[in-house]
Order: sequence, then C-alpha cells, then structure tokens
Amino acid sequence: EAQVTQNPRYLITVTGKKLTVTCSQNMNHEYMSWYRQDPGLGLRQIYYSMNVEVTDKGDVPEGYKVSRKEKRNFPLILESPSPNQTSLYFCASSGGGPLRDTQYFGPGTRLTVL
Amino acid sequence: AQSVTQLDSHVSVSEGTPVLLRCNYSSSYSPSLFWYVQHPNKGLQLLLKYTSAATLVKGINGFEAEFKKSETSFHLTKPSAHMSDAAEYFCVVSANQAGTALIFGKGTTLSVSS
Repeated sequence: EAQVTQNPRYLITVTGKKLTVTCSQNMNHEYMSWYRQDPGLGLRQIYYSMNVEVTDKGDVPEGYKVSRKEKRNFPLILESPSPNQTSLYFCASSGGGPLRDTQYFGPGTRLTVL
Repeated sequence: AQSVTQLDSHVSVSEGTPVLLRCNYSSSYSPSLFWYVQHPNKGLQLLLKYTSAATLVKGINGFEAEFKKSETSFHLTKPSAHMSDAAEYFCVVSANQAGTALIFGKGTTLSVSS
C-alpha cells in the first residue's frame, strides 16, 4: 500500500530534550515536506526537500532541522524543544514535475513539550 | 502572493441536505487548487485538485468543486450530506509555480446532524 508513515504518533517530552520524528514514504517520491498544524492557523510549512541532500526552509523553520540522506526518509529534528513547538506535525510527499504540488500526507505526530 | 480564505469556520447541515463550503483565493498566476479533508484524529486526505483542465472538478465521496476565475472562488459542494462527511475541510492553493509549498486555509468544520 502506498503510504507516508510517521513515528511516533504521539510524544510527550520536556523542554530541551532532543527528539526526532521520523517520516518515510514508499512511493519513490522526490519531494517531501514537513508541516505543523495549530488551531485556527491551518497548516504551515516547516521545511521541504526537493530530493536527496536538497533541503530548504519553509515558512516556520526556526527551532527545527531536517536531513534527507535517503530518498524515502525525511526526519524532523528538534534539538532543543520548547513549549511553543507543541503542535500536530504532518509529513507529506509528492512526485516530481507537474505532480509536485499533489502532496500525500502522513497520519500526523502529536507532540507535547512540557 | 498566493492566499486562500475559507469564508466559514463552521458549517452545520442535516443528513441528506446539500453541502456548500466556501473558499476564495488570490493568485498572481493560474493556480493549482485543492480541497483536503481531515477526519477527527486522522491525517489529511486529498479530496480533489484543480489544474485548469476543467472548471468543474469531481473528487472522491461525491464531492465536487467549481473554479470560477471571475469570482476567484473554489467552493466545495456535495448534493447530499452523509454522517460520515463530518470532518474539517481545508482549501489549499499552491504557493508557487515550482510546487514546493502549499498554502492552507484555516479550515471549515462540517457538522452533520441526523
């Protein structure tokens, strides 16, 4: 089954404790992206990657890091989480060319930073 | 700059009655437009996509949307609501012609009563 998977689905952590949220897709998609969803704000893009070793900032990149060492994986790293990073996070992927903007989303990771 | 406005934060309908979720967009070029649906505690699912091939776009689960350039609108409709349609709906525009980001509206919560 074609899908985007994220782990963990739920995470409660404390301020300053480094964490990684993994994202993997099995559709051989070139493009991957991370979004956060906050009440009343919709989804906002954090980082995206056009292909392996190619990443760029989205609208709200502060406090986050990403890497793209393999085509299928795009982990989101919070080196020193803070309470304002409590949110629902979605990973998405899409194919190249004219299909790039048709993004398929993972199930989400609900993060709480205390 | 691209933007999207969902005109109603909450819409309530009775089962079997029509659904109308309103969306206006702003774009400096011919945009790609989408509707996504998010059921409670679930990820985002693509309902339909407009790419200028046809102004009336049919999606999954009986939903359709009409692109009206003169009104800069992309409203989502369904002739007869079902209880399972209760969810949050997002109108989305491609942020740029490269397709590297999506801009989400703030969402419309659809409630369906029996």
